Amino acid sequence: NAGVTQTPKFRILKIGQSMTLQCTQDMNHNYMYWYRQDPGMGLKLIYYSVGAGITDKGEVPNGYNVSRSTTEDFPLRLELAAPSQTSVYFCASTQYRAGYTFGSGTRLTVV
Amino acid sequence: GDSVTQMEGPVTLSEEACLTINCTYTATGYPSLFWYVQYPGEGLQLLLKATKADDKGSNKGFEATYRKETTSFHLEKGSVQVSDSAVYFCALTLLTQGGSEKLVFGKGMKLTVNP
Repeated sequence: NAGVTQTPKFRILKIGQSMTLQCTQDMNHNYMYWYRQDPGMGLKLIYYSVGAGITDKGEVPNGYNVSRSTTEDFPLRLELAAPSQTSVYFCASTQYRAGYTFGSGTRLTVV
Repeated sequence: GDSVTQMEGPVTLSEEACLTINCTYTATGYPSLFWYVQYPGEGLQLLLKATKADDKGSNKGFEATYRKETTSFHLEKGSVQVSDSAVYFCALTLLTQGGSEKLVFGKGMKLTVNP
């Protein structure tokens, strides 16, 4: 029962560096999402995808990019990391109205 | 726009106390409603859900009823345990114009239960 797997769990980046947060699900879900959770705040949607080859922006897409070449994978790319991107990132997947399955998160610090 | 408003806390209770976390929503259309729980250091887990008016979701002693007339989905538990200490999020999903589904969260409420 792997569900949604995120890697890495923790990462420290220097300002201006780039990285890719990996997300894989094995439930054959069409919908996948990336959220960020800042301390004391709820979750904000960064990007989402309704299927392979289709992605769209959420509330806070600036500074991020995504791709969805397969049903299983939905990587999030950070270009030119900034301190404002310090957060915990969660990937999630779902089928319609079934409730979302979340990964365990990636804690990112930009210094 | 679509939104969820919930009690923000933090709240501290003694073991076996009653819990109610208020949640109200604003949405066009007919959303599905959810409660998610986040235990320390972990991701979010679905606690319970309701997909239409008057549905009651329940799990692990928690209950919530979808009240369309008051646009509410309050979470209740009659006797909390130390293991219920977590952050609780109310959320809704709606279909967008493009046919995709989005989940909108409240800000979350941190609950601490003391022995």
